Amino acid sequence: GEDVEQSLFLSVREGDSSVINCTYTDSSSTYLYWYKQEPGAGLQLLTYIFSNMDMKQDQRLTVLLNKKDKHLSLRIADTQTGDSAIYFCAEMFFSGGGADGLTFGKGTHLIIQP
Amino acid sequence: DVKVTQSSRYLVKRTGEKVFLECVQDMDHENMFWYRQDPGLGLRLIYFSYDVKMKEKGDIPEGYSVSREKKERFSLILESASTNQTSMYLCASQWGVGNQPQHFGDGTRLSIL
Repeated sequence: GEDVEQSLFLSVREGDSSVINCTYTDSSSTYLYWYKQEPGAGLQLLTYIFSNMDMKQDQRLTVLLNKKDKHLSLRIADTQTGDSAIYFCAEMFFSGGGADGLTFGKGTHLIIQP
Repeated sequence: DVKVTQSSRYLVKRTGEKVFLECVQDMDHENMFWYRQDPGLGLRLIYFSYDVKMKEKGDIPEGYSVSREKKERFSLILESASTNQTSMYLCASQWGVGNQPQHFGDGTRLSIL
């Protein structure tokens, strides 16, 4: 079945760039997503990328996709304390039942050091 | 903006009780999902629905059932709650046309004593 892997923790200094990495297994995935979860809250959609794209940029966020290696990364420029959260990578799978589901990684805890 | 509302942020119930978790979305989305989130295990799909009265099992449906009587509402039911169902439950909705992202509620933290 589908599998999405992420490292569990990433620690960066405030003002540096954060790079969160993800690998996935389903080569037929058409969309890949990044979600952010702050403590005690639900998941907030940050950005997503279509599989025919290599890169997508949205303000401080840059998503890079290497389809050959099935590797996805999220770069956050000028990391701030408000970026402290868990970041989930997710790939879409097709259930055949009319709804497109998501397979999530276990999430990367981004820790910001002053 | 899409709004997905889960009826309770925190809920405490006893073993053996029948528990209802409610989720409502205001965007006329066709698809709705229930996940549970546990430390070290990430998010796991319990059930989903792609239309009124339609439901599909996810990865961990045992001990749960769902109800979708109206398009905007998707209920998760714990028939006889057990302590291993203590978890954070997240509801999501999604437009049914094309490859659309899922939008999540704030979650319900359920404790079974």
